[in-house]
Amino acid sequence: EPEVTQTPSHQVTQMGQEVILRCVPISNHLYFYWYRQILGQKVEFLVSFYNNEISEKSEIFDDQFSVERPDGSNFTLKIRSTKLEDSAMYFCASSVDIEAFFGQGTRLTVV
Amino acid sequence: ILNVEQSPQSLHVQEGDSTNFTCSFPSSNFYALHWYRWETAKSPEALFVMTLNGDEKKKGRISATLNTKEGYSYLYIKGSQPEDSATYLCAFGNYGGSQGNLIFGKGTKLSVKP
Repeated sequence: EPEVTQTPSHQVTQMGQEVILRCVPISNHLYFYWYRQILGQKVEFLVSFYNNEISEKSEIFDDQFSVERPDGSNFTLKIRSTKLEDSAMYFCASSVDIEAFFGQGTRLTVV
Repeated sequence: ILNVEQSPQSLHVQEGDSTNFTCSFPSSNFYALHWYRWETAKSPEALFVMTLNGDEKKKGRISATLNTKEGYSYLYIKGSQPEDSATYLCAFGNYGGSQGNLIFGKGTKLSVKP
């Protein structure tokens, strides 16, 4: 069964460092998303991506964040200069209709 | 600010008990209501997506109902089993947001004791 895959499953980085979280969406899907969940809090929408551009982003998705679909299969989230408060579980999702399918998440720990 | 509320926050039941939880969401600009089942260390698994007022969906022992006019959805589990233990998330999609821009509740954590 097709699934969304994310790598790495866990990443530890030092504050101020750049990180890239990677996702491979389901192949025939057209819409791609990033969500995050800070421990103990709600899952929050970060950004949606369609037709090679951002279609919507939340207030969380500031200039430190960027997304890219570099090669037609990968979908990446880059955080330029990580902060302690960026520590969270980051989920990638993709959809072709109104139902989104999620990856297993990347746990990002900023120390 | 659009907000989705789920209750209860956590629930402990015995194997064989039937249970239900609630998701409340804004009743305006409704597009879709999603239920996900999320086990630790796994990706959220889509259970149901409902779009019409009065929708009822069923998958095995799990069912869900939708009332868009009053802004709530119920998830029912009949005869709970230990493998039903998970966090159940509901998510609201509204017109005006891009497809897939879902607003999540905090979830209901269900624990089923054998």
